[in-house]
Amino acid sequence: SYVLTQPPSVSVAPGQTARVTCGGNNIENKRVHWYLQKPGQAPVMVVSHNSDRPSGIPERFSGSNSGNTATLTISRVEAGDEADYYCQVWDSSSDLRIFGGGTKLTVL
Amino acid sequence: EVHLVQSGAEVKKPGESLTISCKASGYQFTGNWITWVRQLPGRGLEWMGRIDPTNSYTSYSPSFQGHVFISTDKTTNTSSLQWRSLKTSDTAIYYCARGASWFDAWGPGTLVTVSS
Repeated sequence: SYVLTQPPSVSVAPGQTARVTCGGNNIENKRVHWYLQKPGQAPVMVVSHNSDRPSGIPERFSGSNSGNTATLTISRVEAGDEADYYCQVWDSSSDLRIFGGGTKLTVL
Repeated sequence: EVHLVQSGAEVKKPGESLTISCKASGYQFTGNWITWVRQLPGRGLEWMGRIDPTNSYTSYSPSFQGHVFISTDKTTNTSSLQWRSLKTSDTAIYYCARGASWFDAWGPGTLVTVSS
């Protein structure tokens, strides 16, 4: 089945730009959705359909998708952005919804 | 505003049955699928399955097919996740979420603990 690969962790200093990647075979042909999950809380969608931002999500969050890698970019990182980030796609060939393993973002 | 309210934490023994629920409000219940997601302790998110509240059509991940049952009640805008025989490996947080292929609203989760 389709596999999404995320780095286990990403670290960034406050004010800098964080990039969380999500690898998958020809992932550019799929719509990628991103969620953040803070400790003890439910996930929240931060980007849908590769690059759309739901209402209420800061413009600092953006997404892109090309080739075999989708990327969630968080600009001007704040301490409050510390969370686990998950990518997710629908795999049409199996009709399964697939999550990546998650990336823990640490703000130094 | 969309709200998904889930039932409270449960502690069960192996072999027992369990049903947890997810009550939706703030939108047309029959216009959106409900999805269930599992999160094992300290682990990532796993898609379990989904249901169309309009006609109760369901699809499951092979990893969960036959072990859980997803249902819905249009009269109460509620979806339920049911086990007939729990295992200790079912210990996890279970989330309901709105959507079929992407999930724009999530419930707070229900912690299920299965222990002898």
